Amino acid sequence: AQKITQTQPGMFVQEKEAVTLDCTYDTSDPSYGLFWYKQPSSGEMIFLIYQGSYDQQNATEGRYSLNFQKARKSANLVISASQLGDSAMYFCAMRPTGANSKLTFGKGITLSVRP
Amino acid sequence: NAGVTQTPKFQVLKTGQSMTLQCAQDMNHEYMSWYRQDPGMGLRLIHYSVGAGITDQGEVPNGYNVSRSTTEDFPLRLLSAAPSQTSVYFCASRKGGDSPLHFGNGTRLTVT
Repeated sequence: AQKITQTQPGMFVQEKEAVTLDCTYDTSDPSYGLFWYKQPSSGEMIFLIYQGSYDQQNATEGRYSLNFQKARKSANLVISASQLGDSAMYFCAMRPTGANSKLTFGKGITLSVRP
Repeated sequence: NAGVTQTPKFQVLKTGQSMTLQCAQDMNHEYMSWYRQDPGMGLRLIHYSVGAGITDQGEVPNGYNVSRSTTEDFPLRLLSAAPSQTSVYFCASRKGGDSPLHFGNGTRLTVT
């Protein structure tokens, strides 16, 4: 079974600064994918970034990057140059590789960006 | 592109009533799933389907039924609503490989 841990309390960051949101995971599967989603106050779930367990480089998507440390089983999301619109709940999720595999979510972290 | 469409957006039920949450996707995704989101609990998988005619249970399936008669539709049925089923429900779909889940906008259900 997979487990995703997001233990940070509500996070605060000043506008234009960078912030790291922590995620650790536990799995016995040799191959898996890690995902981050954003949920603004309007409620929709927005996919941000993906990292495969065998990818050699850390994933990046615009201002988002994933600091993947496989040995430590961590997949932290780094948001650079924070914007007010980044204020939201952020979920880390993991799925073993395979067509029928299920996505397991962490409990989420709330990020507030201060002007 | 409509993506994943959920209806209704809001619903209030009395204990014991039944209802169906509708979910449709127009992306020809084989995989579809239902999650519920509760404060402090993240998203928990209720049921999922890997193709038409195939469904399976997730983490919290009790009190819910699903069917998948077509690739496009994946309705979630509450058989006899209970206050513990008060939640926000998300339907999601994806194609194969490493593709991310695409979510509908959610249904906020209150059971009184």
